Amino acid sequence: NAGVTQTPKFQVLKTGQSMTLQCAQDMNHNSMYWYRQDPGMGLRLIYYSASEGTTDKGEVPNGYNVSRLNKREFSLRLESAAPSQTSVYFCASSDTGTGYNEQFFGPGTRLTVL
Amino acid sequence: DAKTTQPTSMDCAEGRAANLPCNHSTISGNEYVYWYRQIHSQGPQYIIHGLKNNETNEMASLIITEDRKSSTLILPHATLRDTAVYYCIAKIVRGGSNYKLTFGKGTLLTVNP
Repeated sequence: NAGVTQTPKFQVLKTGQSMTLQCAQDMNHNSMYWYRQDPGMGLRLIYYSASEGTTDKGEVPNGYNVSRLNKREFSLRLESAAPSQTSVYFCASSDTGTGYNEQFFGPGTRLTVL
Repeated sequence: DAKTTQPTSMDCAEGRAANLPCNHSTISGNEYVYWYRQIHSQGPQYIIHGLKNNETNEMASLIITEDRKSSTLILPHATLRDTAVYYCIAKIVRGGSNYKLTFGKGTLLTVNP
């Protein structure tokens, strides 16, 4: 199993450009998440999808949109990138059906907005 | 989620046990204690979780005090690859908002040769 995969690994954007971060998991998990991590700070939840067909805002959703394309894939879109969105983005998934919600994380996407 | 308090950093010699403490004095009866770690530049990795009883898996052991106000994560034979930031999280699992993991600053464990 590959676990949680993310593409791209690195990206540099100019202010105002748009892009989509891709995430896929092969563990048949029902829930998926997008976090961002800034230097010296913990992870902050951007959006999550409790199950296929549903999405909800997390702590810091402004400037982002998400799509739960199917059970495997959960994408994060930046419509008009801003320097404040420079961060490392992590996707995660979990099987909340077990009740314990251990989250499994991808390797991250390092995004720089100039 | 209950607030957790961890030391900022700890050192451990390679091959020795690493004991990472966590204080969660306001933990409620239905909150579990989770441990994750984050090796530099990688995504966080789930280690272990528990409610009341001590737990052990292939990675670590979790010791929770009887009053549940604190816990200790034990890496029995630390290796250089265990150098990471370790996060202790107290979280309601069933019946609550179990989607967000609140990562504090954690403990930077440095394993020295």
